[in-house]
Amino acid sequence: DIQMTQSPSSLSASVGDRVTITCRAGQTISSYLIWYQQKPGQAPQLLIYTASILKSGVPSRFSGSGSGTDFTLTISSLQPEDSATYYCQQTYRSPFNFGQGTRLEI
Amino acid sequence: QVQLQQWGAGLVKPSETLSLTCAVYGGSLRNYNWNWIRQSPGKGLEWIGEINYSGYIQQNLSLKSRVTMSIDTSKNQFSLKLSSVTAADTAIYYCARGRQTVGYDPWGQGTLVTVSS
Repeated sequence: DIQMTQSPSSLSASVGDRVTITCRAGQTISSYLIWYQQKPGQAPQLLIYTASILKSGVPSRFSGSGSGTDFTLTISSLQPEDSATYYCQQTYRSPFNFGQGTRLEI
Repeated sequence: QVQLQQWGAGLVKPSETLSLTCAVYGGSLRNYNWNWIRQSPGKGLEWIGEINYSGYIQQNLSLKSRVTMSIDTSKNQFSLKLSSVTAADTAIYYCARGRQTVGYDPWGQGTLVTVSS
């Protein structure tokens, strides 16, 4: 199985800050990396697919990068509504594991 | 716009079988994989498995073959059964449409399943 490790597990930041969340795969996954945002009481929402492609309608302050084993999600200028837990997921090989999540508090 | 609506029993007794169904509205079952994911209270996301239009299944072997997935193309629905449940299977269960390159979107609303006698 491909293990996905996110860091940090949690972080606190302020409105307007730039934040980066890291996701590392236990083996190469090419660019088969997905980022989701989950708010309390809601299902996860797709943000970014294929490591760097923003889903239509997602604010441009979100961006993703990386390939192989190391990936990042960056929020360029935090807004209050970005307070959530963020998950990465690899879709390279079954089982399509998720990272443990990064809780972002604003 | 595709929407997923899921339902099933919210309370299951230990050793019995959990059963959930997810209906797809506004789109076809073709060309996508149909996934089940769960989230234990206060925990992260666990991929359970997926099924496609042809009935091809991939599943997480960590669930030790307790999983049965099926698809009903006539009703535009797919289903999950998890047998021999224990308290460790208590979780919110989600269905989701997926493809390898574009991730999972949309998701169902989630069903909280509690395993308790």
